[in-house]
Amino acid sequence: EPEVTQTPSHQVTQMGQEVILRCVPISNHLYFYWYRQILGQKVEFLVSFYNNEISEKSEIFDDQFSVERPDGSNFTLKIRSTKLEDSAMYFCASSRTGWGGSGEQFFGPGTRLTVL
Amino acid sequence: SQQGEEDPQALSIQEGENATMNCSYKTSINNLQWYRQNSGRGLVHLILIRSNEREKHSGRLRVTLDTSKKSSSLLITASRAADTASYFCATDATSGGSNYKLTFGKGTLLTVNP
Repeated sequence: EPEVTQTPSHQVTQMGQEVILRCVPISNHLYFYWYRQILGQKVEFLVSFYNNEISEKSEIFDDQFSVERPDGSNFTLKIRSTKLEDSAMYFCASSRTGWGGSGEQFFGPGTRLTVL
Repeated sequence: SQQGEEDPQALSIQEGENATMNCSYKTSINNLQWYRQNSGRGLVHLILIRSNEREKHSGRLRVTLDTSKKSSSLLITASRAADTASYFCATDATSGGSNYKLTFGKGTLLTVNP
């Protein structure tokens, strides 16, 4: 069964460093998303991406964040200068449809980001 | 309550019993989805119910949706120890152009004791 994959599973970085989290969405999906979950808290939406551009972003997704689909398979989240409060589990998701409702969003296993 | 709030926050039952979890939300929605998350792991998609549907089944799962009350319930029948996990509902809103993002609740932690 197709699934969303994410690498790395765990990333440890120093405050101020740049990190890139990688995702391979399900191959025939057209809509891509990043969410995060701070330990013990809700899963929060960061950004959605369709047709090579951002469809929607949350207040969390400030200028320090960027997303890219560099080729036909990968979808990346970059944090330019990490802060302690960026420590969280980051989930990538994808869906086949988006308009008129997100359709089923399938999530990857997550990347646990620890900022020291 | 906030969009996508589940109750109870925690539920402990014996294997073989049924587990019912509820979710309430505030805005009009397109869909409501239920997810499971084992401790420290990813989110597993369980079921999606559209706003024009009232009930949906998948294996031992039964989901209901009452748009007039802005609420949904997830019933797991004949629970197993392997069902132990956190369960989340997630909604996508019809208003404000938010057709793409899911809003999650805090989840219900279900413990099924063998």
